[in-house]
Formats: sequence, C-alpha cells, structure tokens
Amino acid sequence: DGGITQSPKYLFRKEGQNVTLSCEQNLNHDAMYWYRQDPGQGLRLIYYSQIVNDFQKGDIAEGYSVSREKKESFPLTVTSAQKNPTAFYLCASTYAGQGWAEAFFGQGTRLTVV
Amino acid sequence: AQSVTQLDSQVPVFEEAPVELRCNYSSSVSVYLFWYVQYPNQGLQLLLKYLSGSTLVKGINGFEAEFNKSQTSFHLRKPSVHISDTAEYFCAVSLWNTGNQFYFGTGTSLTVIP
Repeated sequence: DGGITQSPKYLFRKEGQNVTLSCEQNLNHDAMYWYRQDPGQGLRLIYYSQIVNDFQKGDIAEGYSVSREKKESFPLTVTSAQKNPTAFYLCASTYAGQGWAEAFFGQGTRLTVV
Repeated sequence: AQSVTQLDSQVPVFEEAPVELRCNYSSSVSVYLFWYVQYPNQGLQLLLKYLSGSTLVKGINGFEAEFNKSQTSFHLRKPSVHISDTAEYFCAVSLWNTGNQFYFGTGTSLTVIP
C-alpha cells in the first residue's frame, strides 16, 4: 500500500545531541513537508521541498535542517541549536504545482529531549 | 496573508447530539479547503475537502461541511456524534495559485460524552 512512513514513532535524546527523523513516501509525490505540533498551537511548518535537491524554510526553521537527495525521502535533523525540541513531528507529502492537492500525513514521531 | 481560525479550542458534546466545528479563513486568492482528523499520537487523516462545485461536501464518518464564500467559512457538522468521534480536528486551506502551500488552524478538540 502507498503511504508515508515516519520512523521511529518515539525517540528519546539527551540535551545537546543532534537527532534525525526519517520520512519516506512511496506515493510518487513531488512535495514533502515537516511540521511541528505542540499542544494548543496546531501545526507549524518547519521546512518544505517541492523537488529533489531543493527545499525552503518554513515558519520555524531555526535549529532544524533537512535534505532531499531522493524524491522518496525527506529526513529532518533536529540540531542542538533548537532550544525546545520536545514535540510531535509530522511529515506530509502532496503533488506539486497548480491544482488541488490534499496533503497525506505520516503517523508522526514524538521526540523527547531529556 | 493567509490565515485559518478555528473559533473553538474545545467542544464537549453528548453522544448522539449534533455538533458543529467552526472554521474561518482569510485569503486574497481563491483557496481549496480541507478538514482533517487526528486521533491521539497519530497523523492527520483527511475527512473531506472542497475544491469547487457544490458548496456542501460530504466526507467520511458521516461528517459534512459547507463552504460559504461571502462569510469565508467552512464549518464542519455531524448530525449525531459517536464516542469514536472524540479527536482533534484541523481546518486547512491551500491556495489555488500554488496548490501545495497549506495553512492550518490551531485545532478543535472534540470530546463526546457518553
């Protein structure tokens, strides 16, 4: 079945360590996104990518980095510069370009920094 | 600038009662409209979408929504809720001219009381 796979589901890291969250899709979608979700704040866009080897910052990109070397993959690295990294992270994908495009979401990764 | 406002952060409702979750948006261009549902520790699942045509759209699990262009609203309704409808609901818009830019509301937590 086609879909988006995020791994791991739960992740624990010590403060000051970088950590990479995985996102893989087999939907042949062009665009991929990373969102951060905190209670009461909805979804906030971290980074997005419309094509391979290209990505743009979202509203809260500071302390995060991404790469898009393959169409299917869009990993997110939470660096030690992110001041409050504990959150629920969601990856999404969609067709790019004009026309309607609903977003498909992965199951999320809950990151806890201790 | 685009924005999405969900007017109620929490909505308690008794089982088998009707419910309406409100969503208003602002945009200088035409938009596509979506409602997503999120169960605890999971990703977002599409409930329904408005692209064009009839302003009343029906989705999964008995939900429906009505697009009102003059009031820039897209309220979600269900005539009789079940315990299983307890979840977080998100309204989202994407823009016609760049179909892959999404803006989410802050979410409404629906609690169905037995």
